Amino acid sequence: SAVISQKPSRDICQRGTSLTIQCQVDSQVTMMFWYRQQPGQSLTLIATANQGSEATYESGFVIDKFPISRPNLTFSTLTVSNMSPEDSSIYLCSVGQAHQGPQHFGDGTRLSIL
Amino acid sequence: SQELEQSPQSLIVQEGKNLTINCTSSKTLYGLYWYKQKYGEGLIFLMMLQKGGEEKSHEKITAKLDEKKQQSSLHITASQPSHAGIYLCGADSPGTASKLTFGTGTRLQVTL
Repeated sequence: SAVISQKPSRDICQRGTSLTIQCQVDSQVTMMFWYRQQPGQSLTLIATANQGSEATYESGFVIDKFPISRPNLTFSTLTVSNMSPEDSSIYLCSVGQAHQGPQHFGDGTRLSIL
Repeated sequence: SQELEQSPQSLIVQEGKNLTINCTSSKTLYGLYWYKQKYGEGLIFLMMLQKGGEEKSHEKITAKLDEKKQQSSLHITASQPSHAGIYLCGADSPGTASKLTFGTGTRLQVTL
């Protein structure tokens, strides 16, 4: 399976600032996704990162708050903008091939906002 | 939208004991995936089930999908401390380009 590198692994940020999380895959993949896992909760899909076009956001998530880039088939970024303590979560990227097999996940970014 | 309910929410078992985790869907499952998450880390893929009645095993873990494709179970035989973590079931639906909906999770502790 693909090797996924997610950076940073953790960060502590100040309220009102923004942080960009990177997800790098060692092979080309069709699908890349970003999930959020709030403390003690399961995973919630934020958006599907589309190569060369705007991401597709799930209900409750907006581009102004979570801008996503995907310039090619191996790389994507998620920015968490204007952070507040409610954004303290683990953010995970996952990759897969459309309609083929499972998604594989990066190690996640543990984000704490003071 | 699809909802996945897992039971139990948490489980403490003694090393060497067997255990079962259940995942029940509000809709017919198209594809069902089991993942394990170590605390605060990423998800490790365990198994994928797609056909009614399907059963897969890897080492001491067996996953099953019922004939009606609305319930799956994950069974661990002779549990070990390395099995500790959070187990998550995930499901995708036709036409959603592999988007996953995740279950509520089961936290497993294995005591010595």
